[in-house]
Amino acid sequence: NAGVTQTPKFRILKIGQSMTLQCTQDMNHNYMYWYRQDPGMGLKLIYYSVGAGITDKGEVPNGYNVSRSTTEDFPLRLELAAPSQTSVYFCASSYTRDTPRGALHFGNGTRLTVT
Amino acid sequence: LAKTTQPISMDSYEGQEVNITCSHNNIATNDYITWYQQFPSQGPRFIIQGYKTKVTNEVASLFIPADRKSSTLSLPRVSLSDTAVYYCLVGLYNTDKLIFGTGTRLQVFP
Repeated sequence: NAGVTQTPKFRILKIGQSMTLQCTQDMNHNYMYWYRQDPGMGLKLIYYSVGAGITDKGEVPNGYNVSRSTTEDFPLRLELAAPSQTSVYFCASSYTRDTPRGALHFGNGTRLTVT
Repeated sequence: LAKTTQPISMDSYEGQEVNITCSHNNIATNDYITWYQQFPSQGPRFIIQGYKTKVTNEVASLFIPADRKSSTLSLPRVSLSDTAVYYCLVGLYNTDKLIFGTGTRLQVFP
């Protein structure tokens, strides 16, 4: 039982390049989330999903896209990377939102630098 | 948008009890209140979750008044390793968005 796994751990992109941040969980959780955290700041919700085939925007979705074709995977796509997207990206999952099992489980993050 | 409000920072000394209060005026009927701890370069880690009154586990207690518009995380006898950022989290009213507030940076001194 690995929990939430994010790859890669680190990545440097040039401006205008694209990449996909991978997130997979093996806990059969319905809910999955992508957050970004800029240095010294709190977490901002980018996108979330309440189940396979369903995604919705969070607080800061511009410049990102997601898909949820399976329960396990929730990749985050960056198109045309910009320096403002330099951040640490965290993926999280939970069984539900409102029950005691709704606690978020976080991955270890992907540290992205865009230069 | 509904949001949470916490003190930006708090200082304490080893062995003291620390209470961090979070305001969440727009909490929805179905929302639980969850607190997380985050160390540098790590993802947040679940501490405790509650719906009303008091919840206690091996690391913390959570106090929630009857109106549920606030909650207080209580850390008994803190140590240096409790230095971290603490976030309270409730769902936005009538959606599944989970929006973090700014968090409280707790510094524990020897």
